[in-house]
Amino acid sequence: GNSVTQMEGPVTLSEEAFLTINCTYTATGYPSLFWYVQYPGEGLQLLLKATKADDKGSNKGFEATYRKETTSFHLEKGSVQVSDSAVYFCALSSSGTASKLTFGTGTRLQVTL
Amino acid sequence: DADVTQTPRNRITKTGKRIMLECSQTKGHDRMYWYRQDPGLGLRLIYYSFDVKDINKGEISDGYSVSRQAQAKFSLSLESAIPNQTALYFCATSDPRTGGSGELFFGEGSRLTVL
Repeated sequence: GNSVTQMEGPVTLSEEAFLTINCTYTATGYPSLFWYVQYPGEGLQLLLKATKADDKGSNKGFEATYRKETTSFHLEKGSVQVSDSAVYFCALSSSGTASKLTFGTGTRLQVTL
Repeated sequence: DADVTQTPRNRITKTGKRIMLECSQTKGHDRMYWYRQDPGLGLRLIYYSFDVKDINKGEISDGYSVSRQAQAKFSLSLESAIPNQTALYFCATSDPRTGGSGELFFGEGSRLTVL
């Protein structure tokens, strides 16, 4: 079956530090990959996505590249801000599952001044 | 106003009580979902519905039931709540016509505590 593995948090960084949150997946076929973000007290919202190998998703300074050879979709940002403090979820949707996402366990990011 | 609205936002109840969580959406999407979020477990799919006449079980449907009253409304019921159903519940919608590959739109969540 499908599965998503994320690095455990919490991750604590100083403002302007470089961020990497690792995500690897197991899936049949050719999944689409997503990063969702959950700010405190809110629901999840899509941050970025990639639908095929070597695609790079990007949004709000965050990037992730779909690496089929390593089954990975690591989230990166060059310079984090306090406002980036949130929980980040990696997820996949494989062909035939029609928008039923499989989520990772989430990684909490805390950015301090 | 939020596109996906959940009620109640917080609920405390006792073991054995019947609880209904409601979700309504103004996005015009056909597909609706109920997820449960637990610390360290991420989100797990309870039920999903692709239209009013289509209801499907997710990975953790035991102890839950749903009703799709209209395209815009999808309710989750716990017939006899138990403490391990204490969790944060999310409703979500999607439109297969836009991208087709699984962007979900989430409500703000309903926090349920079963004592």
